[in-house]
Amino acid sequence: EPEVTQTPSHQVTQMGQEVILRCVPISNHLYFYWYRQILGQKVEFLVSFYNNEISEKSEIFDDQFSVERPDGSNFTLKIRSTKLEDSAMYFCASRPGTPAKMVNNEQFFGPGTRLTVL
Amino acid sequence: GENVEQHPSTLSVQEGDSAVIKCTYSDSASNYFPWYKQELGKRPQLIIDIRSNVGEKKDQRIAVTLNKTAKHFSLHITETQPEDSAVYFCAAPKGGIYSTLTFGKGTMLLVSP
Repeated sequence: EPEVTQTPSHQVTQMGQEVILRCVPISNHLYFYWYRQILGQKVEFLVSFYNNEISEKSEIFDDQFSVERPDGSNFTLKIRSTKLEDSAMYFCASRPGTPAKMVNNEQFFGPGTRLTVL
Repeated sequence: GENVEQHPSTLSVQEGDSAVIKCTYSDSASNYFPWYKQELGKRPQLIIDIRSNVGEKKDQRIAVTLNKTAKHFSLHITETQPEDSAVYFCAAPKGGIYSTLTFGKGTMLLVSP
């Protein structure tokens, strides 16, 4: 069964450094998402991406964050200048889309990247 | 935006008992309600979902009920087993079935043998 994959599984960085988290969504999916989960807390939406552009973003997704789909398979999240409070698990998710009369809204999550900012 | 409240935050049951987790939402336009299970250190995985045109959906030991008037939906797990122990998250879209999901804070379910 196809799965969303993410690399790296764990990233340690110094405060102020740039990080890029990588995701490979399921190949025929059309909608892509980034979420974060601070340890012991709920999953929080960051950004959604469709048709090569951001479709929605949360207040967490400020100017320090950006997303890109550089090719037909990868979907990346960049944090330009990391802060201590960026330490969290970052999940990528993808969703098939909405073919006519066949709605499948399930979001499939990747295994996550644990980001630790020192 | 959508506000999703989830209760309880922790739930301890004996193996074989039933467990019920409740969520309320604020956006009356929401019409899709998934439940995700997250085992320790793993990714959230969809276990069941319901759309607003039905009031209840069952899948073996798991069921979800929806009350659109009251804007709440519940997860019911019967005959709980130790492997049901995990954090369960409810979610609701901000404005309809295609929108971004807002998650509840999660319920840690502990099933003791």
